[in-house]
Amino acid sequence: DTEVTQTPKHLVMGMTNKKSLKCEQHMGHRAMYWYKQKAKKPPELMFVYSYEKLSINESVPSRFSPECPNSSLLNLHLHALQPEDSALYLCASSQDGVGTDTQYFGPGTRLTVL
Amino acid sequence: AQSVTQPDIHITVSEGASLELRCNYSYGATPYLFWYVQSPGQGLQLLLKYFSGDTLVQGIKGFEAEFKRSQSSFNLRKPSVHWSDAAEYFCAVGARAAGNKLTFGGGTRVLVKP
Repeated sequence: DTEVTQTPKHLVMGMTNKKSLKCEQHMGHRAMYWYKQKAKKPPELMFVYSYEKLSINESVPSRFSPECPNSSLLNLHLHALQPEDSALYLCASSQDGVGTDTQYFGPGTRLTVL
Repeated sequence: AQSVTQPDIHITVSEGASLELRCNYSYGATPYLFWYVQSPGQGLQLLLKYFSGDTLVQGIKGFEAEFKRSQSSFNLRKPSVHWSDAAEYFCAVGARAAGNKLTFGGGTRVLVKP
């Protein structure tokens, strides 16, 4: 089973709201990723967790706060977002994030910031 | 640093015709190459990957890709396209030295005419 699940599928929030995106995998993978994808563009890497530790932060604004409570779960906490943050947020996982292994993507959360 | 170029932004093909999507990469060492497909509003699905060995790689949904080191290319092909193949296709290169970061090409949107 190569399934990564994400909730919610859609999220609408105001600029003063606090919300969270959730990602889960049960493949025993030890690396998890957050990507942001704008329309008609490729995904852009935001964060990488490897063995539950943040290993890559691509200079993402602090209004995005990742959390990896355990090896199966990845959250992205959102606060004081801007309308330009509206995008499809994709989660992915891979075996261990060391070297190059295959990343498996979830279906994404479509975020709209009003 | 690695980079990926997909020269064709859009391709229109008739159902039943063959399809070839171009991908050129730039990377100083042995590349790890991937093709992903994305249906509208969905996550990315892995079609196939190349790490080493046979340069002709078979994937899911009847797709194949050929790695040509001399041309720095990893083109994707399908002999006979189905209407369900209409989607966005992304080529990506991974780097062992870059913490498993994937670099995506800009994508090629495939439209299938009946």
